[in-house]
Amino acid sequence: QLQLQESGPGLVKPSETLSLICTVSGGSISRSSYYWGWIRQPPGKGLEWIGSIYYSGSTYYNPSLKSRVTISIDTSKNQFSLKLTSVTAADTAVYYCARHPTVTSFQVDYWGRGTPVTVSS
Amino acid sequence: QSALTQPRSVSGSPGQSVTISCTGTSSDVGGYNYVSWYQQHPGKAPKLMIYDVSKRPSGVPDRFSGSKSGNTASLTISGLQADDEADYYCCSYAGNYTLVFGGGTQLTVL
Repeated sequence: QLQLQESGPGLVKPSETLSLICTVSGGSISRSSYYWGWIRQPPGKGLEWIGSIYYSGSTYYNPSLKSRVTISIDTSKNQFSLKLTSVTAADTAVYYCARHPTVTSFQVDYWGRGTPVTVSS
Repeated sequence: QSALTQPRSVSGSPGQSVTISCTGTSSDVGGYNYVSWYQQHPGKAPKLMIYDVSKRPSGVPDRFSGSKSGNTASLTISGLQADDEADYYCCSYAGNYTLVFGGGTQLTVL
């Protein structure tokens, strides 16, 4: 059974960089034609797609976040990561990692449990 | 790229049917048959209920159905059950390999 687990600091200072890792277990991140994505949810608010990376390394980002986001993949560690620069309080959210088979039809079949990140000094 | 528009809340009694709308533009909902719907219970990760407008993943009851007309997609839940009480989010492909979510709808089972 595939499992995804987010990890990273729960508290980030304003203007700094938020860095999260999603570790995939129970299957290889590079042996299947899947996309690996990041989605976030501010407290009491809705979901927002941040971006996704194909197993080959191609990346796709939300235009509203594109200037601040980098998603990368490390197949040797079976992980993919998210970096969000110049964070503000508006970036406070639960961050989920997820797997989906295409970038057009957003069919997430596996989600991480989510990790809360607070931006505060 | 603006969020898709969903009603903030809907409600229904057990056994009844409810429909949740998701309105976008011709650049997202209206332009592609790639609308998905997610159910989210408090404190949990979302769960896929419908994809490609009207397809159900394995294991999702046929009480859940999806449709689309123009720039508006809809999720209908028939035979409401207590466990259906949750937040529901639509998501659409928006071109140029981007995705956009709706603001979410809180379903209350009375």
